[in-house]
Amino acid sequence: GQQVMQIPQYQHVQEGEDFTTYCNSSTTLSNIQWYKQRPGGHPVFLIQLVKSGEVKKQKRLTFQFGEAKKNSSLHITATQTTDVGTYFCAGPRSNYQLIWGAGTKLIIKP
Amino acid sequence: GEEVAQTPKHLVRGEGQKAKLYCAPIKGHSYVFWYQQVLKNEFKFLISFQNENVFDETGMPKERFSAKCLPNSPCSLEIQATKLEDSAVYFCASSQSVQRLAVSSYNEQFFGPGTRLTVL
Repeated sequence: GQQVMQIPQYQHVQEGEDFTTYCNSSTTLSNIQWYKQRPGGHPVFLIQLVKSGEVKKQKRLTFQFGEAKKNSSLHITATQTTDVGTYFCAGPRSNYQLIWGAGTKLIIKP
Repeated sequence: GEEVAQTPKHLVRGEGQKAKLYCAPIKGHSYVFWYQQVLKNEFKFLISFQNENVFDETGMPKERFSAKCLPNSPCSLEIQATKLEDSAVYFCASSQSVQRLAVSSYNEQFFGPGTRLTVL
């Protein structure tokens, strides 16, 4: 069945280092959404990418959608403690359900 | 309201007992989704509603789980005869609309704070 794979599962970084998470879909996606879940919190929508090759920026966050619309990435430049949390990608399924990646947990080393 | 509300925040049940969770979507949102999140963090889709009608129930373990969204009432998710493996955080989300795949846009989902169910 349709799957969205997300890697890595965890990423430990020093504050100030960069962070990247990758999503790959087994099928072409019409769009992809990114969410952030803080520890103990609920997912919060960050952005939606729709166009092939699209790149969007939100301050230190850069989101990319691949040319084939089967992969996406989120890159955070110079991480801060406020970036801690789990980042999820999600793509629509044929029956309008969202298929979620497993998430990448960003951990800032003390 | 402007936020998705979920009650209760925490629910503890003995194995075999019934559990009922409630969700009030954002006013004006037509779609409601229920997800189960276990310790591994992965979201398991359970069911979605378009207003009071079941839209997609492919994720529901039908023998023990049921859900409703009745007019002028909070939506509910009920688990009969809970099992240990039902322990999880259950999130409700609402969305303004769900676009067909042929249309490029797709509305984001707004999540409630979740209900943590612990089955002992």
